[in-house]
Amino acid sequence: DAKTTQPTSMDCAEGRAANLPCNHSTISGNEYVYWYRQIHSQGPQYIIHGLKNNETNEMASLIITEDRKSSTLILPHATLRDTAVYYCIVADQTGANNLFFGTGTRLTVIP
Amino acid sequence: EAQVTQNPRYLITVTGKKLTVTCSQNMNHEYMSWYRQDPGLGLRQIYYSMNVEVTDKGDVPEGYKVSRKEKRNFPLILESPSPNQTSLYFCASSPWTGGNEQFFGPGTRLTVL
Repeated sequence: DAKTTQPTSMDCAEGRAANLPCNHSTISGNEYVYWYRQIHSQGPQYIIHGLKNNETNEMASLIITEDRKSSTLILPHATLRDTAVYYCIVADQTGANNLFFGTGTRLTVIP
Repeated sequence: EAQVTQNPRYLITVTGKKLTVTCSQNMNHEYMSWYRQDPGLGLRQIYYSMNVEVTDKGDVPEGYKVSRKEKRNFPLILESPSPNQTSLYFCASSPWTGGNEQFFGPGTRLTVL
């Protein structure tokens, strides 16, 4: 699986959009981009995933560049409960489901 | 409520004393796995199972055993725990292999003295 690069930490004001970038320049054609988050030692929580089209669900939006070498997770109206470590993961769907979480981005939402 | 449960949530034990961490899911998921999380190392997969009676090693299987006798349960067994197995453990399940949308349990914090 391809590796990803994320900023170590980011701050966001409460109520504003949080835009979390991720670089995955070595992503291959059959690999998806997944986003998870982990709130202080709780189990990771799946957020969203995509292959090449932009995706939106009730939690977030995922914007993937046309060349698929980078993506951005958008939390449209960040709340204090969104403070967490956010992991960008690229993985194919061959069955082992072994997700490489890396170190992620620590997002702090500030009141 | 759809969930993955783990027991115990916290455990302090001594070197060599066999222990089992249970994991159960009520979503009829085929796929289950175990991860450990250590500072600076992220989450690493220990074992996974694609279905009943089908298990395979992940990245760090040494010192662990698993079994999958029924679809809902996937216990993690430490036959002879050692201090380097002190860690935060997570069980996860997924509705299908390859889907990668995994549901994680709340975690088990294990300390081996």
